[in-house]
Amino acid sequence: KNEVEQSPQNLTAQEGEFITINCSYSVGISALHWLQQHPGGGIVSLFMLSSGKKKHGRLIATINIQEKHSSLHITASHPRDSAVYICAVWSNTGNQFYFGTGTSLTVIP
Amino acid sequence: EAQVTQNPRYLITVTGKKLTVTCSQNMNHEYMSWYRQDPGLGLRQIYYSMNVEVTDKGDVPEGYKVSRKEKRNFPLILESPSPNQTSLYFCASSLERNTEAFFGQGTRLTVV
Repeated sequence: KNEVEQSPQNLTAQEGEFITINCSYSVGISALHWLQQHPGGGIVSLFMLSSGKKKHGRLIATINIQEKHSSLHITASHPRDSAVYICAVWSNTGNQFYFGTGTSLTVIP
Repeated sequence: EAQVTQNPRYLITVTGKKLTVTCSQNMNHEYMSWYRQDPGLGLRQIYYSMNVEVTDKGDVPEGYKVSRKEKRNFPLILESPSPNQTSLYFCASSLERNTEAFFGQGTRLTVV
């Protein structure tokens, strides 16, 4: 069973398009993270949120605790946004991080 | 610069030859963990440590050992590597269990 489900698995967009990546989870959580993994492998944290909405530049992350759902939006997408985006949750009943399998985004110029 | 450093970045080894992947963080973080990443399976937790001398199993601990003798270091030990441990490994740290995670650059391990 997967505690965290992401959709879509793969996404191709034209430069400038508005992009949405979805994440649903089945466990009680303390916080949800959005991570970015570029080709070459390194992982960086984009957002950590436990309620509401956060914005950083062209990236916006929202979470609905009641519906156990989060979205990552990218406005005015750019080829440098091409990466794998991973949703992860801290369980509130344990000490573990659970991860989605990632969404591979390709932005075409 | 705040960072998590893993070594080596790439490693090819033979079945049964003991190896250690080192992980060090310079942020005085309490929580450290190891993950493996495999195609189609995403990241899975191997072991984690809440603080010095406190370690616990994650989802896929079989075939691995860890130790946390100092706050900054959290090595991953494969006593007798097997081909099914071929994977991309990440170490991560965070101030506490429920705070922002910082990841190392990854170690790509191939066991032949």
